Amino acid sequence: ETGVTQTPRHLVMGMTNKKSLKCEQHLGHNAMYWYKQSAKKPLELMFVYNFKEQTENNSVPSRFSPECPNSSHLFLHLHTLQPEDSALYLCASSQDLTSEIWVLHTDTQYFGPGTRLTVL
Amino acid sequence: GDSVTQMEGPVTLSEEAFLTINCTYTATGYPSLFWYVQYPGEGLQLLLKATKADDKGSNKGFEATYRKETTSFHLEKGSVQVSDSAVYFCALSISGTYKYIFGTGTRLKVLA
Repeated sequence: ETGVTQTPRHLVMGMTNKKSLKCEQHLGHNAMYWYKQSAKKPLELMFVYNFKEQTENNSVPSRFSPECPNSSHLFLHLHTLQPEDSALYLCASSQDLTSEIWVLHTDTQYFGPGTRLTVL
Repeated sequence: GDSVTQMEGPVTLSEEAFLTINCTYTATGYPSLFWYVQYPGEGLQLLLKATKADDKGSNKGFEATYRKETTSFHLEKGSVQVSDSAVYFCALSISGTYKYIFGTGTRLKVLA
């Protein structure tokens, strides 16, 4: 049991649809992440939230919109996606050591099982 | 820039064979190094890690040593089992940043 859950596990959507992915962590961690996993490509870090504040946005298209209402929940809102956005979307959490100004150390990441997204 | 390079798979071995999966890295700053494993239908989970040069991480019979002089973190296991069949990812994190970089993954298939 990883302590990180994701719903739904599978999602098929058309390019004009709007949907949301949900992630919940039960580990008391202070940082949460969205990754995109495509075949034969390295995991791509999309967004990082620390203490509910977005700290990283790796040039992700605006059709992906993250939301972090509290330190245990993370959402990824999807709208007008493209077929090339089809992938496995992984959520992760970690307990990062931070000062008031910057992160000092990013430790082990705990992953959810992922949402397999297919865009038609 | 910072990067992780690991050997391309798939790697196919017979049960009880010796396993090596190569991983090399380039990094600014002081990286921590990790191996993660992904079983079918699951997310990644930590297998082992090392936070400074010459540290050896180990878990479930797997080992990897942080070699700063060769910028490597090769994964080894003396005797693999069918249950070790999975995809293995090498990764690094850079202190003072949220940067966490993964390799492309190496698929291991162990035959009975």
